[in-house]
Amino acid sequence: EAEVAQSPRYKITEKSQAVAFWCDPISGHATLYWYRQILGQGPELLVQFQDESVVDDSQLPKDRFSAERLKGVDSTLKIQPAELGDSAMYLCASSSLNTVNTEAFFGQGTRLTVV
Amino acid sequence: DAKTTQPNSMESNEEEPVHLPCNHSTISGTDYIHWYRQLPSQGPEYVIHGLTSNVNNRMASLAIAEDRKSSTLILHRATLRDAAVYYCILSATRGSNDYKLSFGAGTTVTVRA
Repeated sequence: EAEVAQSPRYKITEKSQAVAFWCDPISGHATLYWYRQILGQGPELLVQFQDESVVDDSQLPKDRFSAERLKGVDSTLKIQPAELGDSAMYLCASSSLNTVNTEAFFGQGTRLTVV
Repeated sequence: DAKTTQPNSMESNEEEPVHLPCNHSTISGTDYIHWYRQLPSQGPEYVIHGLTSNVNNRMASLAIAEDRKSSTLILHRATLRDAAVYYCILSATRGSNDYKLSFGAGTTVTVRA
């Protein structure tokens, strides 16, 4: 069964360092999402791509976070510099159609700890 | 975006049905009702979704009130593997070409053996 692949699964980084996460969506899925999930809370959408274009990044802290999906396939989320408050699970999801009548598939996430 | 209200937690016994309520009194006519669940240390997993009619699949059933202001996810026979956080989400259409899933805090379901 096809899956959304994320790496690394776990990342420990020091405050003020740069960190990057990678996501490979299910083949053929045009829509890709990055979510952040703080422990004990629901996931919060950071950025949404349709192919290589950003359609929503209203909740992305643009002073330190960036996201790209250059060829409309895999995607990278970067944080520079990392802060203690960035410790969270970062989830990637994809869906085949950009409509309300479909389902999204999530990866296992990257657990980030900033020390 | 229209909001949903769910109980913080629910407990069930193994092999008994579980009824998870969700209130969405400000739902718009074009909002679909989605349910996802998240097992410990995993990403969310799609469960079911619907618009107006009740829906059934291999995982669960979704009962939607006639006025669409509330819905209930039904797990027919809970197993220990169903212990998870269950999220009720209204898919928000922002235009003809996109939508997003906005998660709340969800309901933590505990299943007793």
